[in-house]
Amino acid sequence: QKEVEQNSGPLSVPEGAIASLNCTYSDRGSQSFFWYRQYSGKSPELIMSIYSNGDKEDGRFTAQLNKASQYVSLLIRDSQPSDSATYLCAVKLGSGGGADGLTFGKGTHLIIQP
Amino acid sequence: EADIYQTPRYLVIGTGKKITLECSQTMGHDKMYWYQQDPGMELHLIHYSYGVNSTEKGDLSSESTVSRIRTEHFPLTLESARPSHTSQYLCASSLTADPRYFGPGTRLLVL
Repeated sequence: QKEVEQNSGPLSVPEGAIASLNCTYSDRGSQSFFWYRQYSGKSPELIMSIYSNGDKEDGRFTAQLNKASQYVSLLIRDSQPSDSATYLCAVKLGSGGGADGLTFGKGTHLIIQP
Repeated sequence: EADIYQTPRYLVIGTGKKITLECSQTMGHDKMYWYQQDPGMELHLIHYSYGVNSTEKGDLSSESTVSRIRTEHFPLTLESARPSHTSQYLCASSLTADPRYFGPGTRLLVL
């Protein structure tokens, strides 16, 4: 089992709808969770961080964390074509994980259809 | 917005050449990282540093080396480039262990 898992997609969502991206992780001791957006050919850009259970909202983005179920989600409301990108989930695992403790998922490719 | 810079942005070079990819940040971050990413693929950590004179190898076996003589500077060197080194190289930094702020990347093509 991979330590951080994401559905690679593509996930196709009509413009104006809510895009829902999910990420599961293996270690219950994980403390920090991040979502990055990466446009094709560009570097990852941090868009959300979440550290405690519940929801965190920032503009059209909402991160949801459920530590008991070991998943973190990203919701994008009123999806725009400019939201089309790959979304990377990154988790600071409680144990194991990458050499420096932050493990990235492979990313979900999101396509917003006009 | 993170102030982290990478040069060159694009590099085409022949097999066997020595190359150095530059990374610098003006945020005073102690921690710096190098990732390798092929198109459409996941990020792989190849080196990291938690401060001056501190360097560690990452998860991905790499034929590159790094140095950290100054806080703001973390260059990556390939002693002898090979076609298998063709990839995108991403530098990142952080104040604490997380999150990471990424530079714009260097696209390397080895012929």
